[in-house]
Amino acid sequence: DGGITQSPKYLFRKEGQNVTLSCEQNLNHDAMYWYRQDPGQGLRLIYYSQIVNDFQKGDIAEGYSVSREKKESFPLTVTSAQKNPTAFYLCASSMVMNTEAFFGQGTRLTVV
Amino acid sequence: DQQVKQNSPSLSVQEGRISILNCDYTNSMFDYFLWYKKYPAEGPTFLISISSIKDKNEDGRFTVFLNKSAKHLSLHIVPSQPGDSAVYFCAAKGDGGSQGNLIFGKGTKLSVKP
Repeated sequence: DGGITQSPKYLFRKEGQNVTLSCEQNLNHDAMYWYRQDPGQGLRLIYYSQIVNDFQKGDIAEGYSVSREKKESFPLTVTSAQKNPTAFYLCASSMVMNTEAFFGQGTRLTVV
Repeated sequence: DQQVKQNSPSLSVQEGRISILNCDYTNSMFDYFLWYKKYPAEGPTFLISISSIKDKNEDGRFTVFLNKSAKHLSLHIVPSQPGDSAVYFCAAKGDGGSQGNLIFGKGTKLSVKP
């Protein structure tokens, strides 16, 4: 079945460590996105990529990095520079210039 | 400054009645608007959308209305069902570039009581 998969669903990280969240889609979508959800904050855009080997910063990119080496994959690295990494992270994809974005099930990251 | 605003953080409605969720936006470059439904610990699921060339779009129990002059849209759910209880996000999108991304509101938590 076509879809977008995030893994793992829950992730624990020690303070000061980098961690990478996986996002894979088999929808043949060109564009992929990472959002972060905090209580009462809605969904805030971290990074987006409209084509392979290209990506742009969103509203809250500080402390994060991404890569887009393959169309299907858009991993997000939460670095130790991110001051408040504990959050629910959502990956999405869409056709370029299309509208509806499809979301993965999310990864809840907790820094301990 | 928030470009997409959902000013009601929560809404409680009786089963069978109408639920009306509101959304305001500030950027006149937005030309497509979407509503997503989200359950806790899950990703949002697309519900319904509307292009700026229309003022109404209907899909079963869900209808979205767009008032461009007021920069306002609303989602109507009729009749409301307990399974509709979720957080509803309004999102807006422009025409390419940085405006091509979905900008989300903060969400409205809908509770439908039996």
